[in-house]
Amino acid sequence: GIQVEQSPPDLILQEGANSTLRCNFSDSVNNLQWFHQNPWGQLINLFYIPSGTKQNGRLSATTVATERYSLLYISSSQTTDSGVYFCAVGGSEKLVFGKGTKLTVNP
Amino acid sequence: DADVTQTPRNRITKTGKRIMLECSQTKGHDRMYWYRQDPGLGLRLIYYSFDVKDINKGEISDGYSVSRQAQAKFSLSLESAIPNQTALYFCATSKTGVYEQYFGPGTRLTVT
Repeated sequence: GIQVEQSPPDLILQEGANSTLRCNFSDSVNNLQWFHQNPWGQLINLFYIPSGTKQNGRLSATTVATERYSLLYISSSQTTDSGVYFCAVGGSEKLVFGKGTKLTVNP
Repeated sequence: DADVTQTPRNRITKTGKRIMLECSQTKGHDRMYWYRQDPGLGLRLIYYSFDVKDINKGEISDGYSVSRQAQAKFSLSLESAIPNQTALYFCATSKTGVYEQYFGPGTRLTVT
């Protein structure tokens, strides 16, 4: 089945710093989503981005489908950005999740 | 109001008990999913349903069963709970032809 690898596994930042999270996947996909899991366990949809570039406030994402990777950019990080960021990819049946990047933003 | 709701949000049960987790959605989507998350890991698919009469096993269906009572309702049952089923359970929905999935708030289940 499709494999999803996220890097780095852990990231510690000072408030105000920028960061880039990466997601590599092993096959062509129809769906790629980025999620933020907050400390209470809730999954928050960030982007649906099987290809191209999208921006939402301080967050943006780019997926290069032909090269099978996606990047999530966080600019001017805030303590509320802390949590785990998941990339999930798939087709019509299911999503396969990576193991996530745990982000800690210190004040 | 939330589009995808799950009940209960937290549950502690004993080994051997039967337990049902429920999911309801008001998004009008036809596809529904149950995922499980273990600590430090991503989500894994338990079961999925493309409509009321369609039920499919995911990668970790052993020990679980599901029921699609209506287009808007999808329940997950643990017939005889065991401690290694302690996890965070998520329901998700999507619409045929649109791949994006929307997740509920999760149910934290502890089996003692």
